[in-house]
Amino acid sequence: QSVLTQPPSASGTPGQRVTISCSGSSSNIGSNYVYWYQQIPGTAPKLLIYRNNQRPSGVPDRFSGSKSGTSASLAISGLRSEDEADYYCAAWDDSLSAHVVFGGGTKLTVL
Amino acid sequence: QVQLEESGGGVVQPGRSLRLSCAASGFIFSSYGMHWVRQAPGKGLEWVAVISYDGSNKYYADSVKGQFTISRDNSKNTLYLQMNSLRAEDTAVYYCAKDRVAIVTFPTLFDYWGQGTLVTVSS
Repeated sequence: QSVLTQPPSASGTPGQRVTISCSGSSSNIGSNYVYWYQQIPGTAPKLLIYRNNQRPSGVPDRFSGSKSGTSASLAISGLRSEDEADYYCAAWDDSLSAHVVFGGGTKLTVL
Repeated sequence: QVQLEESGGGVVQPGRSLRLSCAASGFIFSSYGMHWVRQAPGKGLEWVAVISYDGSNKYYADSVKGQFTISRDNSKNTLYLQMNSLRAEDTAVYYCAKDRVAIVTFPTLFDYWGQGTLVTVSS
């Protein structure tokens, strides 16, 4: 049971826009930055979004992040076949002892 | 470019110990906090621990507190994870990951990851 809640799966057709949600609480998303990672099976995760909505250099602007209260979301526009991957949200959590929490991951399928 | 290379994984019997290493290059290692993150087969990501850039602060997941120890040698650009009393549920790919921001009083989250090393705990 992950601290951050993501839908287990999402799908879309090429060119579509898909959104992946990440729900948390006041001790994590509500008070800390959200990061998003993309993991193609068999490879290491890659940073997609940091500080809620910032893209590292090299990440296409098709990827965008947002945060409101204790929830965050990742949007992918102009969906491409190479976007098929697992997506994870993450944030620091300030409850009791400081630690990092992840969402359970969302498997994105490009139909 | 940033490179992180984990080593030290393998098959180990329950109750035994193992030390993982992560060799870093392509950035000023001594300026960045470093994390360990693991992924059990077919499962999601689980954060394990972080150490500050100078080694003065360490934070652990509750699941490994008292069992695992994170450390670093800035003279060797190397991060370590000492894992004791290993259990079957510790079986995972272990990734080292670099903190995104240099010389911070509190770690941020990770930008670059290594390729991981597989630890299998089995008799």
